[in-house]
Amino acid sequence: GAVVSQHPSWVICKSGTSVKIECRSLDFQATTMFWYRQFPKQSLMLMATSNEGSKATYEQGVEKDKFLINHASLTLSTLTVTSAHPEDSSFYICSGGGAGGETQYFGPGTRLLVL
Amino acid sequence: GENVEQHPSTLSVQEGDSAVIKCTYSDSASNYFPWYKQELGKRPQLIIDIRSNVGEKKDQRIAVTLNKTAKHFSLHITETQPEDSAVYFCPEGSGGYNKLIFGAGTRLAVHP
Repeated sequence: GAVVSQHPSWVICKSGTSVKIECRSLDFQATTMFWYRQFPKQSLMLMATSNEGSKATYEQGVEKDKFLINHASLTLSTLTVTSAHPEDSSFYICSGGGAGGETQYFGPGTRLLVL
Repeated sequence: GENVEQHPSTLSVQEGDSAVIKCTYSDSASNYFPWYKQELGKRPQLIIDIRSNVGEKKDQRIAVTLNKTAKHFSLHITETQPEDSAVYFCPEGSGGYNKLIFGAGTRLAVHP
C-alpha cells in the first residue's frame, strides 16, 4: 500500500521561531499532496494543496505567508510554520494520493507545541 | 459542492452489536465515497471506499452502501469490537486535485 511519512513527529518551539515539517511518500510518487491541521477533538481542516513544481493552493482563511509550502520533488513536500505563536499549536497531517489519485493516504502527523 | 452531513455525531453500542453511520452529500457529480477511521492521536486510515458505479461493497465486518438517487452512503460495522472505537469520517471529494473536505465525523464507542 501507499506509505506516507512525516518528520518530526513532535516539535516544541519558542514563540516567534519557524518550524519545518517534512512529508514524504515512500513507495509512490505524489504529484499532489495535502496539508491538514487538526485541533483537539475537532475534525481535520484542509489548509492547502501542495503541487509539485508549482505554487501551493491555499484554502480560504489560511495565510500563505505564514504557512509556507514547498513541493520540490514527487516524494517530498514541506510545510514551514513561520513566526509560530501558541495558537499555531496543533496536529499537522499531510496526505498523498496513491494509484489513481483519488484515494489519499495520510502521514502519521506532527504535533506542534509553541510555548 | 462541499456539503456532507454525517449522522449521528456520536454512537455508543455494546460489543457485538452493529453500528451504522450515514452520510448525505449534495453534489450529484460526486463519484468517489471513502470512509476513514481515526483513532485518538493517530492518522486517519482508509477503511473502505466505493465508487458510484457500485451499490455496495463489503470487506469482512465492514460494508458501505451507496444510494445515488437519495445521495447518501452508509458505513455498516457488524459484530463490533472495542478496537472499532474511533472517529469515523466520510469526507467529500472536491476540486480537480481530488482534495478531501472532512466534516465533523462520528465518534463511535464500543463498550465491552
